[in-house]
Amino acid sequence: ETGVTQSPTHLIKTRGQQVTLRCSSQSGHNTVSWYQQALGQGPQFIFQYYREEENGRGNFPPRFSGLQFPNYSSELNVNALELDDSALYLCASSRTGVRQNTEAFFGQGTRLTVV
Amino acid sequence: AQSVTQPDIHITVSEGASLELRCNYSYGATPYLFWYVQSPGQGLQLLLKYFSGDTLVQGIKGFEAEFKRSQSSFNLRKPSVHWSDAAEYFCAVGYGQNFVFGPGTRLSVLP
Repeated sequence: ETGVTQSPTHLIKTRGQQVTLRCSSQSGHNTVSWYQQALGQGPQFIFQYYREEENGRGNFPPRFSGLQFPNYSSELNVNALELDDSALYLCASSRTGVRQNTEAFFGQGTRLTVV
Repeated sequence: AQSVTQPDIHITVSEGASLELRCNYSYGATPYLFWYVQSPGQGLQLLLKYFSGDTLVQGIKGFEAEFKRSQSSFNLRKPSVHWSDAAEYFCAVGYGQNFVFGPGTRLSVLP
């Protein structure tokens, strides 16, 4: 098992609501990335945080936002939930910041269901 | 644009048989290449990675992969599959600060 923990493991929300997902990075890692994995698909990059700032963003709307804290843990916030937001949300922590993720460790994910 | 294709959506092999999962990528520079495995309801576990050097890379659980620049491929192989290898396998390119993943290949293993 990796040292990356995500909470909660499962979540059910209603369309239009807001949700916050949490990720604790592995000890010694300073970078956190978030991915969305829809059913039957590969993970899609949402954004990355390094030194408490967003350090790259994929093709996701502004209602997807995040935070990174001084202890390198991170939150993913999604506003105005839509049915298509139902997915497994994966957090990955790594030691690199501004270069490619030479090695990332993934958490178990949070399964979000929007009804 | 960077992309990763995995031509096989689902592969079924018998336990003890050999395995090859295909991966092709489109990337403008020297790629960082990865294979991850995902068991049902779980996160992603790194099997192996290629950055440079020897084009045949050894990973965990008896897996290996070969980087072929001329074919833009990074196929995953295992000489003898175990029932516990049944899972979803993802090939990925390291791009900028993140990964671009392929759609995955689901591996089923027959007893």
